[in-house]
Formats: sequence, structure tokens, C-alpha cells
Amino acid sequence: GQNIDQPTEMTATEGAIVQINCTYQTSGFNGLFWYQQHAGEAPTFLSYNVLDGLEEKGRFSSFLSRSKGYSYLLLKELQMKDSASYLCAPGGYQKVTFGTGTKLQVIP
Amino acid sequence: GAVVSQHPSRVICKSGTSVKIECRSLDFQATTMFWYRQFPKQSLMLMATSNEGSKATYEQGVEKDKFLINHASLTLSTLTVTSAHPEDSSFYICSAREGGLGSGGAYNEQFFGPGTRLTVL
Repeated sequence: GQNIDQPTEMTATEGAIVQINCTYQTSGFNGLFWYQQHAGEAPTFLSYNVLDGLEEKGRFSSFLSRSKGYSYLLLKELQMKDSASYLCAPGGYQKVTFGTGTKLQVIP
Repeated sequence: GAVVSQHPSRVICKSGTSVKIECRSLDFQATTMFWYRQFPKQSLMLMATSNEGSKATYEQGVEKDKFLINHASLTLSTLTVTSAHPEDSSFYICSAREGGLGSGGAYNEQFFGPGTRLTVL
């Protein structure tokens, strides 16, 4: 079965850094996705980690530890538009399973 | 980048009627398409995986006779909600991937459509 755990809500200040953690237990693991989803919209792709370590992409970075079943998404220089839900999604060869998401609120 | 469209974006129907939702990959051939459902404040729940030219694979608890999926071409998949009821009201999202089952190797990104909001009265 699939088990994905991430915080339900987080609040951070504009310009700050926030780290959203995700732990997972899943069968047939291939890699881990992070998606951003604004209210009422479909998810948009942020990152995909296959190997252990940190991958940086602009203001967003994502980390993966396969042995620990752990990942985090790091958002730097937060902007108001970053207020959204962030979905941790471990992917197998056949399908991707989404966590419940972390609703991030960025405040001035 | 890859674009996936969905039609309609919103639909309101009466209880007992059927609704068809289309999902199209506009600039790539989608061997595999996924259908998700998302209730308010909940995660995306995978309903079924469809591969072009074959029967869809439904997730546990999803009624295949109620949610009919057709993936007749490499760019189009349809989801028909038959005899819709108010509890079927939800946000339905499709996604598409170029590779088929087991393919994609280290990278099998899904491209999401904009979603269809279904309201059953």
C-alpha cells in the first residue's frame, strides 16, 4: 500500500525560507515528485528526484533520501504567490500517488 | 512544454444524467492517461489508468461501470460519469504521459489538464 505523510498546513513570512517535509512508504518506488497546486486549479510540476541528494532549481530545491523514505521541498525568498498547496508524490513505474498536500500560507 | 486540455471546464447536471469529460494531449502522444478525482481540501485520488487501445485499470473502490473510460487514440481519453448523483460532485483532473506502462525509466512526468468541476444537482 501507499502511505504519505506531510504537514497539513504551514505559514511563513514573505522573503523567508520554508521547508516542507514528506515521509512515504510505497511499493515500486521509482522517484518522487513535488507539485504545486493553487486553489481550484490543477497541479503544476515542480521537481522530480530519483537519486539521493539535493536538486536545486531556482528558488525551489528538493531533497530525497530513498533509504529513509524522506523528502523535502525547500522554498527560498518566499513570495505571496507561493501561497498554495504542495503535494508530495512518490512515483512508481506505473503510477504516481499523491499525498494530502501541505497548504502553505505566505504572509507579509 | 507539453499541454493537456480538458473539456468542459465546468459542468452542472441533474441527478441521473451522464456526463462526458474529454482529456486531450495537444502536442504529444499520450500512451498513458490518468484520471483523478479531488474533493474539497483532499488530495488527488487516482481513479483509473488508461492505455491507448486497451481497457482501463481501475483503482480499488472505483466502479468501472459507473466511470467509463475510453482511450481510443493517442491524444484523447474520455471519462463518462454515468447516472451521476450529488455525491459524484467533484473536481476531475486528467493527466497524460508519453510513455506506457513500465516505460519512462527514470522520468515519467505527468502533464495535468486544467480540471473539470462537476456539480450534480
